[in-house]
Amino acid sequence: DAGVIQSPRHEVTEMGQEVTLRCKPISGHDYLFWYRQTMMRGLELLIYFNNNVPIDDSGMPEDRFSAKMPNASFSTLKIQPSEPRDSAVYFCASSLVRKNTEAFFGQGTRLTVV
Amino acid sequence: ILNVEQSPQSLHVQEGDSTNFTCSFPSSNFYALHWYRWETAKSPEALFVMTLNGDEKKKGRISATLNTKEGYSYLYIKGSQPEDSATYLCAFISNFGNEKLTFGTGTRLTIIP
Repeated sequence: DAGVIQSPRHEVTEMGQEVTLRCKPISGHDYLFWYRQTMMRGLELLIYFNNNVPIDDSGMPEDRFSAKMPNASFSTLKIQPSEPRDSAVYFCASSLVRKNTEAFFGQGTRLTVV
Repeated sequence: ILNVEQSPQSLHVQEGDSTNFTCSFPSSNFYALHWYRWETAKSPEALFVMTLNGDEKKKGRISATLNTKEGYSYLYIKGSQPEDSATYLCAFISNFGNEKLTFGTGTRLTIIP
């Protein structure tokens, strides 16, 4: 397996534009997590899915953020409209159903909103 | 809100020296603790998954211990090498019935050659 694949690796966009980040989890993994990394807050969980169903979205900063998982092999995180304070590295991770197995992270998407 | 704290925030260690750092987490409702290593410009990679009080795990020169009663875990690196330079993250999972990993803010380790 190629691991968790995220795209794009880098995104620069203007304030107010819609941004869509994509993630392909490891095949067979039941859980998918979206994290945001900032200098101030470290790695913070935005939302996670179990079997394609959103379980906890309490970390989503506001209504401008939305995430979907239409099938087991694909998820998107959308920001509309984007703001400069959304600039961060966004990571996707996946794991197996058992809680004592590790999460596998993608390479991240570095988002810059100007 | 689950409080997972790591200390120190950053650390500079001479090559060849040994070092350790701490992860503190809620001692109630413990299920598992993970340690991850995060090199610059890469993604976090798992080092250890620990679930039992008193667990001690080892991978090469790196080892970790777990005390769930008092809510802490130590990560040890013996004979530090330049390639050990990274941020080390711990992540806590509670037994509330979900898979939510709550991360600490990490310890940034720099090995001085």
